Amino acid sequence: AQSVTQPDIHITVSEGASLELRCNYSYGATPYLFWYVQSPGQGLQLLLKYFSGDTLVQGIKGFEAEFKRSQSSFNLRKPSVHWSDAAEYFCAVGAPFSGNTPLVFGKGTRLSVIA
Amino acid sequence: DTGVSQNPRHKITKRGQNVTFRCDPISEHNRLYWYRQTLGQGPEFLTYFQNEAQLEKSRLLSDRFSAERPKGSFSTLEIQRTEQGDSAMYLCASSLGVGDTSEQYFGPGTRLTVT
Repeated sequence: AQSVTQPDIHITVSEGASLELRCNYSYGATPYLFWYVQSPGQGLQLLLKYFSGDTLVQGIKGFEAEFKRSQSSFNLRKPSVHWSDAAEYFCAVGAPFSGNTPLVFGKGTRLSVIA
Repeated sequence: DTGVSQNPRHKITKRGQNVTFRCDPISEHNRLYWYRQTLGQGPEFLTYFQNEAQLEKSRLLSDRFSAERPKGSFSTLEIQRTEQGDSAMYLCASSLGVGDTSEQYFGPGTRLTVT
């Protein structure tokens, strides 16, 4: 069965510091991979997605993620965190060759940003 | 494009009562998904539709849960005889449903509290 593991429940970083959120997946093939962000009272917003091709993908708000097949990982990074990045981040997988199937989400990583 | 909307945003009900939530997808989207999110967890898939056809409902949590999308536009999720364990955020998402790279857009959710 497909599963997504986000090992870090909560991360605190200083504003301006770099950020890496970890995501590992279990899937029979290379799935489609997504990172979503959820702010309090808001719906999930897609940050970036990987379907195929270049393993380093760029997203919105200065985020990027790197797909590593050998490690079954899709870690999210940002070089300099802003206070407005404080939110819950979810990694998700979808069936390959179909971006329209239900997604399987990790449990999320809550990001706190301190001055 | 007004995004995915959900109503109500909050619902407090007493155990044993029935509740119904509504989701209005982005107008041209023909796929609609329901997810449930409990505290500290990522969204969990419940069911989804392609137009008015329900493609998957085995993941609905019990026979107390049902969903409809009668005209292929808005959808309703009903929970009968609510239990305290049903307290959660219920999320709706929609996608264009064509091609394999269509992303899912999420609504703000309906937060259900069962007392």
